[in-house]
Amino acid sequence: DQQVKQNSPSLSVQEGRISILNCDYTNSMFDYFLWYKKYPAEGPTFLISISSIKDKNEDGRFTVFLNKSAKHLSLHIVPSQPGDSAVYFCAASAQGGSEKLVFGKGTKLTVNP
Amino acid sequence: DTGVSQNPRHKITKRGQNVTFRCDPISEHNRLYWYRQTLGQGPEFLTYFQNEAQLEKSRLLSDRFSAERPKGSFSTLEIQRTEQGDSAMYLCASSLASLARWGDEQFFGPGTRLTVL
Repeated sequence: DQQVKQNSPSLSVQEGRISILNCDYTNSMFDYFLWYKKYPAEGPTFLISISSIKDKNEDGRFTVFLNKSAKHLSLHIVPSQPGDSAVYFCAASAQGGSEKLVFGKGTKLTVNP
Repeated sequence: DTGVSQNPRHKITKRGQNVTFRCDPISEHNRLYWYRQTLGQGPEFLTYFQNEAQLEKSRLLSDRFSAERPKGSFSTLEIQRTEQGDSAMYLCASSLASLARWGDEQFFGPGTRLTVL
């Protein structure tokens, strides 16, 4: 039972354009959502998070949007850079993030120069 | 470097052998988590500790797996009688659980890649 779904295994965008990565969840108990970036042979690196009391959180080039009624979140990267090429994981947690994270399968982003 | 460290980074073993991995969390973090990641999947939760107490174990953690966190500092994950299905990346993460409602981000180490032949 996949509680967190990333339906696009891969995404390719041109440098300077917007990258939009999507994530859906099914568990209504989730109240904290995070995005991690992962390079090969490294552990996931925390990118940005959002709590269920917000619908948007911004950090530099990265913005996460949360639509609770649709149980959907998205990560926007503007402008995209070649160094952003990595696998992006969406993760969700109950209890404000102090509990275990449930991850999606990831989306491989390729930013072409 | 004050990040999460894991040793060894790679481990190759034969089926039936025991292996042990070590994780050193960020020093002020009181929570420590273990996850497992297989090819094409996201990390899957195994277990976590608050200081030295093991608070939750996933059903993925069979009787052959045991984790400890003596003195609430580093942690070890042992797999006994390894099987080929145990081949995976084992990830450790730590966080500082606070009284704040939000914001306990987990920070991951580089992982230990286990290959069981």
